[in-house]
Amino acid sequence: AQSVTQLGSHVSVSEGALVLLRCNYSSSVPPYLFWYVQYPNQGLQLLLKYTTGATLVKGINGFEAEFKKSETSFHLTKPSAHMSDAAEYFCAVSPTGANSKLTFGKGITLSVRP
Amino acid sequence: DTGVSQDPRHKITKRGQNVTFRCDPISEHNRLYWYRQTLGQGPEFLTYFQNEAQLEKSRLLSDRFSAERPKGSFSTLEIQRTEQGDSAMYLCASSRLAGEDGYTFGSGTRLTVV
Repeated sequence: AQSVTQLGSHVSVSEGALVLLRCNYSSSVPPYLFWYVQYPNQGLQLLLKYTTGATLVKGINGFEAEFKKSETSFHLTKPSAHMSDAAEYFCAVSPTGANSKLTFGKGITLSVRP
Repeated sequence: DTGVSQDPRHKITKRGQNVTFRCDPISEHNRLYWYRQTLGQGPEFLTYFQNEAQLEKSRLLSDRFSAERPKGSFSTLEIQRTEQGDSAMYLCASSRLAGEDGYTFGSGTRLTVV
């Protein structure tokens, strides 16, 4: 079974500041890990994913995340926040193999102050 | 690639009525998934199809819910005798066979039961 923990429901940063959104997972098999962003009344857009290989993955809009197996973490970062980054962010895990349904965390709302 | 389309975008219905939603996935994607998202929560898995076969249903999917993908292309999700607790965003996603590329989500259908 898989589960995802996203600590805190809301993060607020100033424009230009570092963004750090935390994600910890549990999985009984090697996982695929994903970060999605959701803007109001829209579906989810894939930011980045980890499947195999390099543990530091880069995504769209300047975001990146590092898979740390020993810490069972997949935290999302961006060096400099932009106003347009304000949205809800979801971390998700799926098992490798045939059954690839996603298990999502509860999400974190990111606010960016001018 | 026209993305994943969902129809309608919004649906308001009276309690006890039946509703049906449609999802058109990306044409070359074998897998199609339905998720439900309530306010302040991450999406929760409901069911998924591989081609026309429904391979898994969540325990969240009561007997009032039924999903079909008759020709392995579009899918429908029907809710019979709607209840106020069914009010949510219903998200459809599609992926290639193993899901390694991540999912492409539609914009969702927001259901309000009054």
